[in-house]
Amino acid sequence: GAVVSQHPSRVICKSGTSVKIECRSLDFQATTMFWYRQFPKQSLMLMATSNEGSKATYEQGVEKDKFLINHASLTLSTLTVTSAHPEDSSFYICSALTGVGDGYTFGSGTRLTVV
Amino acid sequence: DAKTTQPNSMESNEEEPVHLPCNHSTISGTDYIHWYRQLPSQGPEYVIHGLTSNVNNRMASLAIAEDRKSSTLILHRATLRDAAVYYCIPTGANSKLTFGKGITLSVRP
Repeated sequence: GAVVSQHPSRVICKSGTSVKIECRSLDFQATTMFWYRQFPKQSLMLMATSNEGSKATYEQGVEKDKFLINHASLTLSTLTVTSAHPEDSSFYICSALTGVGDGYTFGSGTRLTVV
Repeated sequence: DAKTTQPNSMESNEEEPVHLPCNHSTISGTDYIHWYRQLPSQGPEYVIHGLTSNVNNRMASLAIAEDRKSSTLILHRATLRDAAVYYCIPTGANSKLTFGKGITLSVRP
C-alpha cells in the first residue's frame, strides 16, 4: 500500500531557530499533501494544503510566513517552522492524497519541542 | 464541511464486536464517509470509506444509513490493538480531511 515517510520523528530545538520537517511519498506520486498540527488531547487541525509546483493554501489563522511549505517534487513536501517559540511545540503530521481508492495516507508524525 | 457527532468514548471487551456510531446529518450528496483511527503518538491510519453502499475490508465494515445521515463502523472482533481514537469524516472526493473530536475506544482484556 501507499506509504508516507515523515522525518524526523522528534526534534528539540532552541527558541528562535528554524526546524524543517520532511514528508515523502515512497511508492506513489503525491500532487497534493496536507499538513496538520495536533496539541495534546486535541484533534488534528489542518494547517495547509500543499500542491506540487505551486504555492500552498493556508487555513485561516495559520501564518504562512512562519510555517513555510515547499512542495517542489511529486514525492516531497517540507514544512519549515521559522523562528520557533515554545508555543509552536506540537505534533506535526503530514498526509498525502494517494488517488488509488484508499484516500489519504498519513505520516507517522513529528514531535517538535521548542525550549 | 459536514458536521459530525460521535460519542466521546466507548468501551468494549476483547474479541467482541464493536459498533461505533456517527451522525452526519448535513452531509452533501457527493461526500464520501471516511473513517480513520489514531493510536497515541502516531499519525492517523485509514480504516474504511464508502459513499452509499455498505463496505467491508479486512479491518472493518461500514454500514451507511439509507438517508446517509449516519453511519456505523463495525469492528467484528475487537483486539487490544484496536484501542484508539476513531474519526468519522465526510468529505468530497480528493478534498481535505477535517477532523472532529472522534470517539475514544477502550478495549478491556
